[in-house]
Amino acid sequence: GAVVSQHPSWVICKSGTSVKIECRSLDFQATTMFWYRQFPKQSLMLMATSNEGSKATYEQGVEKDKFLINHASLTLSTLTVTSAHPEDSSFYICSAELIYEQYFGPGTRLTVT
Amino acid sequence: QKEVEQNSGPLSVPEGAIASLNCTYSDRGSQSFFWYRQYSGKSPELIMFIYSNGDKEDGRFTAQLNKASQYVSLLIRDSQPSDSATYLCAVNGNNRLAFGKGNQVVVIP
Repeated sequence: GAVVSQHPSWVICKSGTSVKIECRSLDFQATTMFWYRQFPKQSLMLMATSNEGSKATYEQGVEKDKFLINHASLTLSTLTVTSAHPEDSSFYICSAELIYEQYFGPGTRLTVT
Repeated sequence: QKEVEQNSGPLSVPEGAIASLNCTYSDRGSQSFFWYRQYSGKSPELIMFIYSNGDKEDGRFTAQLNKASQYVSLLIRDSQPSDSATYLCAVNGNNRLAFGKGNQVVVIP
């Protein structure tokens, strides 16, 4: 139980384009999902907290107009990286909360060329 | 001071030995504490959580929590090559997880 999926697992896009990443809780409903970013050799950095039916809460320093988050249902949250640039290349990981524990998706590796 | 600190460098242990990892946190009001294992290129997976002072054992893993001293540790007994990974300490505060930078463990056969 408590399985979280992400799609795609990796994506390469050109600078200036937008990329959408999906995060799904497969066998449970998650009122709250989280989006993290991890650069090589660094720890996970929380980008935003996504609550179903309401606006996401962004961490300080994260541009909400660049990283659009939509939590459309209790099993799906999406992160759209708009006008991506090479510095946005990173490992993006979502997690879904179940009874105060977070279960992580497998991550999406984004490369912007 | 960072919210969660893991200061030890890479840890090399012989197969079968005990690996010991430490973590300190700054928010005295934190209530729940987690250890995640992350293999290179993969996302973290939860291996232990602890809420109360003292020890909690799960198989070869033991988590220890001392709220007065604001530290949490992880012991891995009978270390196996498959335990080679980065171990992340995470502390729940303000309805969000704060992660330490992680400790790399290398188990030498």
